[in-house]
Amino acid sequence: AQSVTQLDSQVPVFEEAPVELRCNYSSSVSVYLFWYVQYPNQGLQLLLKYLSGSTLVESINGFEAEFNKSQTSFHLRKPSVHISDTAEYFCAVRSDDKIIFGKGTRLHILP
Amino acid sequence: EAGVAQSPRYKIIEKRQSVAFWCNPISGHATLYWYQQILGQGPKLLIQFQNNGVVDDSQLPKDRFSAERLKGVDSTLKIQPAKLEDSAVYLCASSWGDRSYEQYFGPGTRLTVT
Repeated sequence: AQSVTQLDSQVPVFEEAPVELRCNYSSSVSVYLFWYVQYPNQGLQLLLKYLSGSTLVESINGFEAEFNKSQTSFHLRKPSVHISDTAEYFCAVRSDDKIIFGKGTRLHILP
Repeated sequence: EAGVAQSPRYKIIEKRQSVAFWCNPISGHATLYWYQQILGQGPKLLIQFQNNGVVDDSQLPKDRFSAERLKGVDSTLKIQPAKLEDSAVYLCASSWGDRSYEQYFGPGTRLTVT
C-alpha cells in the first residue's frame, strides 16, 4: 500500500516570506497525489492535486506543488505567505481507491 | 451547492457511554466516507459506503463502532461503549461515485471522552 511522509510537524515562517512544506511518497507505478488544507475549526479542503500530465500543479491562492518521480516527492511551495495561510496542510496519496493522509504540517505565520 | 453537513460539532461524554454522529453528504454524491482524526495525526479512513453498501470497513473497530447509510443518503456513526482513546475529530466526506480522489469534507465532530 502507498504511504506519504511529512517530515515537518510545524513550520514557522515570517509573513511575506517563501515557504516549502515537504512531502515524500512511497514509490509506485502510477500515483495520484494531493495537498489538503485544514483551517482552524474547519474540515479539510482540497488545495491541489496531481493525477497526470504536467508535473507542476497550482492552486488558486498561490500555492504550487511539483511531482518529482525520481525523488518521490510532492513538495508544496508558496513564494510569499500571508497570515490567512495559517492552517494545517496534509499531503495525501491515492491507494487502492482510498486516500491515505500524512500526519500533517502546521504552518505558523509570524508577523 | 450545500456542503457536507455534520452534527453535532462537539460532544463530551464519559467512557463507556454511547454516542452517535450524523452526516448529510452533498446531494448526488454516491460515496460517503467516515474518518477518524486523532490530534497530531492525519485522518484515518474508518468506513466507506457506495450508495447504501459498505465498500471498505477494514479499519473500523467493529466491536464498538458501527455505521449505517440506510437510504443511500444520510449516514450515522455510532460508538458503543466509548473509550478514552476514541477522543478525536470524526470527519465525514463524500464524492461522486467514481471520483474518490475528489472528496469534500464536512466540518467534523470533535469528541472528547473523559
